[in-house]
Amino acid sequence: GAGVSQSPSNKVTEKGKDVELRCDPISGHTALYWYRQSLGQGLEFLIYFQGNSAPDKSGLPSDRFSAERTGGSVSTLTIQRTQQEDSAVYLCASRPGGSSYEQYFGPGTRLTVT
Amino acid sequence: GNSVTQMEGPVTLSEEAFLTINCTYTATGYPSLFWYVQYPGEGLQLLLKATKADDKGSNKGFEATYRKETTSFHLEKGSVQVSDSAVYFCALSDTGANSKLTFGKGITLSVRP
Repeated sequence: GAGVSQSPSNKVTEKGKDVELRCDPISGHTALYWYRQSLGQGLEFLIYFQGNSAPDKSGLPSDRFSAERTGGSVSTLTIQRTQQEDSAVYLCASRPGGSSYEQYFGPGTRLTVT
Repeated sequence: GNSVTQMEGPVTLSEEAFLTINCTYTATGYPSLFWYVQYPGEGLQLLLKATKADDKGSNKGFEATYRKETTSFHLEKGSVQVSDSAVYFCALSDTGANSKLTFGKGITLSVRP
């Protein structure tokens, strides 16, 4: 079946601009996560959605970062007023929920802020 | 909080050599443990998992055993191939509210013919 998809695969933006990154999870997966992969910080958790519950935003690095998940499916991560330190690969993952804890990752969006 | 420590890399081996990549963890409760692999230019793929003490995860010739007494989950393969060249990440998921993954820093494996 179809895996997790993300778009765009690459995004180059100027410092100060806003960007939106999209994630389509595996159909039927109730849990969705965003992570960031950067050379200096490794893989970091950003935000978690589970069904219709309030998201866990504890990993967001600043209030310039926000995310939403519409209809329990597609998610959008928005970064406002981008900074050079936001340059990284942004990964989305989904999980079936329940007692199954493995997460399935999309290919990522490589964000470069110039 | 939770943490995962992987051995320092990179690692370079000849084809058919034995591979061990060490991973230890710190966690409260009873986490699930994973190895993920990232091939060049690709995303993270789940390689294997173990959900409780003494479980052995295995896939594609790789194995790892969940050792609670030593808080370890070392990855092994008896005979590596050039196609195994990738970055390997050890990770844990606590079984609490958000079950986020905590990753080690990753280790780059290069296998030469």
